[in-house]
Amino acid sequence: RKEVEQDPGPFNVPEGATVAFNCTYSNSASQSFFWYRQDCRKEPKLLMSVYSSGNEDGRFTAQLNRASQYISLLIRDSKLSDSATYLCVVNSFSGTYKYIFGTGTRLKVLA
Amino acid sequence: DAGVIQSPRHEVTEMGQEVTLRCKPISGHNSLFWYRQTMMRGLELLIYFNNNVPIDDSGMPEDRFSAKMPNASFSTLKIQPSEPRDSAVYFCASSTLQGNQPQHFGDGTRLSIL
Repeated sequence: RKEVEQDPGPFNVPEGATVAFNCTYSNSASQSFFWYRQDCRKEPKLLMSVYSSGNEDGRFTAQLNRASQYISLLIRDSKLSDSATYLCVVNSFSGTYKYIFGTGTRLKVLA
Repeated sequence: DAGVIQSPRHEVTEMGQEVTLRCKPISGHNSLFWYRQTMMRGLELLIYFNNNVPIDDSGMPEDRFSAKMPNASFSTLKIQPSEPRDSAVYFCASSTLQGNQPQHFGDGTRLSIL
């Protein structure tokens, strides 16, 4: 089983739709969680950190469920410019710190 | 604020040549990471440094790859000799590795070995 798993997609959604991605992780001792966005041929860019109580940044909402070991990202009123790959990242410590990346979920927002 | 700076942005060279990739982390960050990304294998961690010391190099593919961090503001990733299968985008990232701090990535080096 992979340490961090994501549905690769693609998720094809119309403009204005709401879309949600989940990401599961296997290490219960994981300490911090992030969502990154990666555009084609570009570097991963931090979208948002994920806090225990859940957090929102504009149209984006991130949630953490420690009991079930998953994090989620909700995008409301999706725009064409939201088309990208969304990477889930989990940071855990077991002797050394490790950032574990999921393989990413591809989103295509259609006009 | 300056982000992570990588050079060169693109490198095309013939197999057998030595390739050196460079990275300047964000000032104040004490951890630096080298990644490789390909369509087939996704994003792979090659090595990471904490306070200039290599902590985990288990992702370095083979002896042809080496990485150094002589000081807090500079790191190199060297491939010698290079092979066509080394063609990929190489990213450098830095962070503070404290609490819940994220990594920040450079623009990457797009490497093609002919």
